[in-house]
Amino acid sequence: GENVEQHPSTLSVQEGDSAVIKCTYSDSASNYFPWYKQELGKRPQLIIDIRSNVGEKKDQRIAVTLNKTAKHFSLHITETQPEDSAVYFCAASNTDSSYKLIFGSGTRLLVRP
Amino acid sequence: GAGVSQSPRYKVAKRGQDVALRCDPISGHVSLFWYQQALGQGPEFLTYFQNEAQLDKSGLPSDRFFAERPEGSVSTLKIQRTQQEDSAVYLCASSRTSGGYNEQFFGPGTRLTVL
Repeated sequence: GENVEQHPSTLSVQEGDSAVIKCTYSDSASNYFPWYKQELGKRPQLIIDIRSNVGEKKDQRIAVTLNKTAKHFSLHITETQPEDSAVYFCAASNTDSSYKLIFGSGTRLLVRP
Repeated sequence: GAGVSQSPRYKVAKRGQDVALRCDPISGHVSLFWYQQALGQGPEFLTYFQNEAQLDKSGLPSDRFFAERPEGSVSTLKIQRTQQEDSAVYLCASSRTSGGYNEQFFGPGTRLTVL
């Protein structure tokens, strides 16, 4: 089955710097890759997603890139702010056979003021 | 509108007790998922419903876990004879249709602690 690995497990950046979180997946049939943000004690919330027919997607300060050949995708946050501090999860899904999300283990991002 | 809700938010059970966790999805959402999130880990898939049909239960860890969605709306996850390793946050998520490219909206979770 699908396996998603996520790095780093923790990331500390200065306010205003960029943050990059990387994920790799094992199942070449995966075609949908969402990213969720989870604040302490709160529910996971979708921040951006990308489909396998797209290489990059941007939404204001957040961007995601996908390399299907290498089977990896990355989250980029620019001009980080303290409110970006949270745990970020990547996930992968094969929408042709199943709708379940396979999550990475998470990255705890700390943005220092 | 109202998001996904779950109850109770916290549940403490003695080992061996049965527990029932409730999920109220967003009204009209066809798909419903249950995930288990251990401390410091990502959510792990348990089971999936499309309306009242349970189409995938491959993630249920043992036959002590049972889920139902009899009328295609509210869902209940039941754990029989709870064990300490069942301690986790149980997340419910719903999505609008049965298509794959649909955002899954998560509930706040039920934190289960088994003593």
